[in-house]
Amino acid sequence: ETGVTQTPRHLVMGMTNKKSLKCEQHLGHNAMYWYKQSAKKPLELMFVYNFKEQTENNSVPSRFSPECPNSSHLFLHLHTLQPEDSALYLCASSQDQLQPQHFGDGTRLSIL
Amino acid sequence: KQEVTQIPAALSVPEGENLVLNCSFTDSAIYNLQWFRQDPGKGLTSLLLIQSSQREQTSGRLNASLDKSSGRSTLYIAASQPGDSATYLCAVRQNSGNTPLVFGKGTRLSVIA
Repeated sequence: ETGVTQTPRHLVMGMTNKKSLKCEQHLGHNAMYWYKQSAKKPLELMFVYNFKEQTENNSVPSRFSPECPNSSHLFLHLHTLQPEDSALYLCASSQDQLQPQHFGDGTRLSIL
Repeated sequence: KQEVTQIPAALSVPEGENLVLNCSFTDSAIYNLQWFRQDPGKGLTSLLLIQSSQREQTSGRLNASLDKSSGRSTLYIAASQPGDSATYLCAVRQNSGNTPLVFGKGTRLSVIA
């Protein structure tokens, strides 16, 4: 039990589909993060939310749309993705942006 | 721009051996450095966090050192076990406010029984 839960664990979708990834934490943390992990590349930060406000958008294409309705939940809405978007998408949370991050087990996304 | 490099990319050792994983970073003005472990199909688990003012941190069979001026950190694993097999990631945070972690590509470790 990591404290950070991501669903679904695996997702296969076509390029024209719309889907959402969900992340939930019950650690009482105030900051939440989306990362992308592709094969043979370093972990890439996508978005950061602090107290439900987006504080970082790391030049992510608009086909990825984050949503943070409260401090415990984070979504990543996907629309018209490309094959190169296939990757492991990891969610993390921390007490604040300087404290250690706790990671979920990720969603393995495959774009057909 | 900060860059983090981990060498080697992969390492295979027999059980019981002591080993060292290396991490280097280009900008020495860091706030802290963190070592993570990632098992296949899983997220990251934090192992050790070293603040910029510290030289090392220890947890059980793990010891992480930091030489900020030379831009290097090592993760020492004593008496390796098959359960230590995983990918080990190094990440640094810059010393300039709420900046994101910058990760290396990781070292994939296999400990053979």
